Amino acid sequence: AQSVTQLGSHVSVSEGALVLLRCNYSSSVPPYLFWYVQYPNQGLQLLLKYTTGATLVKGINGFEAEFKKSETSFHLTKPSAHMSDAAEYFCAVKTGTYKYIFGTGTRLKVLA
Amino acid sequence: GAVVSQHPSRVICKSGTSVKIECRSLDFQATTMFWYRQFPKQSLMLMATSNEGSKATYEQGVEKDKFLINHASLTLSTLTVTSAHPEDSSFYICSARGWDQETQYFGPGTRLLVL
Repeated sequence: AQSVTQLGSHVSVSEGALVLLRCNYSSSVPPYLFWYVQYPNQGLQLLLKYTTGATLVKGINGFEAEFKKSETSFHLTKPSAHMSDAAEYFCAVKTGTYKYIFGTGTRLKVLA
Repeated sequence: GAVVSQHPSRVICKSGTSVKIECRSLDFQATTMFWYRQFPKQSLMLMATSNEGSKATYEQGVEKDKFLINHASLTLSTLTVTSAHPEDSSFYICSARGWDQETQYFGPGTRLLVL
């Protein structure tokens, strides 16, 4: 069975600082992993995904994530936070039946 | 590409009435769509998987007679909340499985308020 754990329901960073959002997964099969962003009262927008191949995945808006099998992690990073990055971020793993299991989300706050 | 729309974006209805929410994949065909419910400050809860031309598959604890799902075409799935009650008030989000079969593309959500 698959599961996703997002450490830290709230993360605050200063504008221009490094963003690190943590995601650990559990999967009995090679995982397909996703990061989505949700702005208030909106749906989810795909930031990036890992399926196979290169373990460092680059996404939109300057975000990237690294798949580390040995650590069962897929942490999301961005070198320099921008005020517009303030949002809710969800990590998800795809199950064998194409459903997603979502983490509980991390709310990112960017301080001026 | 891979745009999903939902209509309406917001709806207010009286208790006991039914409400239909549409989910459309605008620039791709989706044999599978998903319906989620999201409570304030919480994650998404999968309600059901909608398959074109067949019955939807509901998650445990979701009443199929209350949340009617129809996926009549490759670009449209509908969720009807029947005999809505205030506890059905929530944010409903749909997604469509993309051409790569792995990625879900999400609609903007529908805010339902039942008075």
